[in-house]
Amino acid sequence: DGGITQSPKYLFRKEGQNVTLSCEQNLNHDAMYWYRQDPGQGLRLIYYSQIVNDFQKGDIAEGYSVSREKKESFPLTVTSAQKNPTAFYLCASSIIGSNTGELFFGEGSRLTVL
Amino acid sequence: GDSVTQMEGPVTLSEEAFLTINCTYTATGYPSLFWYVQYPGEGLQLLLKATKADDKGSNKGFEATYRKETTSFHLEKGSVQVSDSAVYFCALTSGGSNYKLTFGKGTLLTVNP
Repeated sequence: DGGITQSPKYLFRKEGQNVTLSCEQNLNHDAMYWYRQDPGQGLRLIYYSQIVNDFQKGDIAEGYSVSREKKESFPLTVTSAQKNPTAFYLCASSIIGSNTGELFFGEGSRLTVL
Repeated sequence: GDSVTQMEGPVTLSEEAFLTINCTYTATGYPSLFWYVQYPGEGLQLLLKATKADDKGSNKGFEATYRKETTSFHLEKGSVQVSDSAVYFCALTSGGSNYKLTFGKGTLLTVNP
């Protein structure tokens, strides 16, 4: 079945450590996104990419990094510079070329900093 | 910039009650409007959408009408079920060269039997 796979589902990190969240899609979508979800704050955009080897900062990119070496993959690294990394992270993808705006989401990764 | 304001929850209803979740927006141009739903422990799924003024989006008994004059996109359902318990997000995109969605903060709905 086509879809978006995020891993791991749960992740624990010690302060000062970098951690990478995986996101893979087999929908043949050009665009991919990373959102952060915190209780009572909705979803905030971290990074997005519309094409391989290119990506743009979203609203809260500080302390995060991404890469887009393959169309199917858009990993997110939460660095030690991110001061409050405990959150639920959602990866999404979409087509480009129409204005439907529909995003397809993965099931999320919950990161907890100990 | 674009923004979405939706009613704060949580909202608690009994089964078969009428549901309204208010959503208003601020956007440049002519946005497309969406409602997404997030069931416990899962990612978001598109529930319905409307791409121009006066359009009505509908799905699974839910409806929302794009009202340009009041910049609103309220979600309604005539008779909720326990299985509708979830977080509902209103969102918009102004399109253009990127397709970023701007989300509201979400409204938690709990339906009791």
